[in-house]
Amino acid sequence: NAGVTQTPKFQVLKTGQSMTLQCAQDMNHEYMSWYRQDPGMGLRLIHYSVGAGITDQGEVPNGYNVSRSTTEDFPLRLLSAAPSQTSVYFCASSYQGPPRGSPLHFGNGTRLTVT
Amino acid sequence: KQEVTQIPAALSVPEGENLVLNCSFTDSAIYNLQWFRQDPGKGLTSLLLIQSSQREQTSGRLNASLDKSSGRSTLYIAASQPGDSATYLCAVSRYGGSQGNLIFGKGTKLSVKP
Repeated sequence: NAGVTQTPKFQVLKTGQSMTLQCAQDMNHEYMSWYRQDPGMGLRLIHYSVGAGITDQGEVPNGYNVSRSTTEDFPLRLLSAAPSQTSVYFCASSYQGPPRGSPLHFGNGTRLTVT
Repeated sequence: KQEVTQIPAALSVPEGENLVLNCSFTDSAIYNLQWFRQDPGKGLTSLLLIQSSQREQTSGRLNASLDKSSGRSTLYIAASQPGDSATYLCAVSRYGGSQGNLIFGKGTKLSVKP
């Protein structure tokens, strides 16, 4: 049982480049989300989805796009990378999303550096 | 605005000691509170989830309590082991605001010395 799988694990981009961070879960969870974790800032929600075809913005959505065409996959796209997007990105899923809440399952993260 | 605070930021204890990690939140209107563990270079692992109607949850050597009225939760770890060394984060799920959002504390980094 793979859980939540994120690829790649590490990525270096130049300013202005675009890329997609992949996230897949095999638990048939309806809720999926993307967080970024920065030193001193903690975890902040970027975008989330409560089911296929439904997405919404979190706390820090600017510069990122998402789509949810299947239950399993929730890719995060960086449109034009900026040094401020250097961070560790986590994908998380659960059976029921907040606020009702089921335990949240996290992937192992993608460490992104933008130069 | 909901704020979640974890004090201390770091804690070092000898193996075998019982310990308590603290989490406080400013708005008592929460659905639930989760405790997570994060190992270096890894994602978060959910340890315990306490619904707002509950007072505590237990899993093995871990016991989490919730006092909504005072805006506090504690995570009790019994008979600590070196393998418990990690960063522990709490997060609250709040009414209203941005649906889907958990508010995380910045964590307590625990080191258990052999």
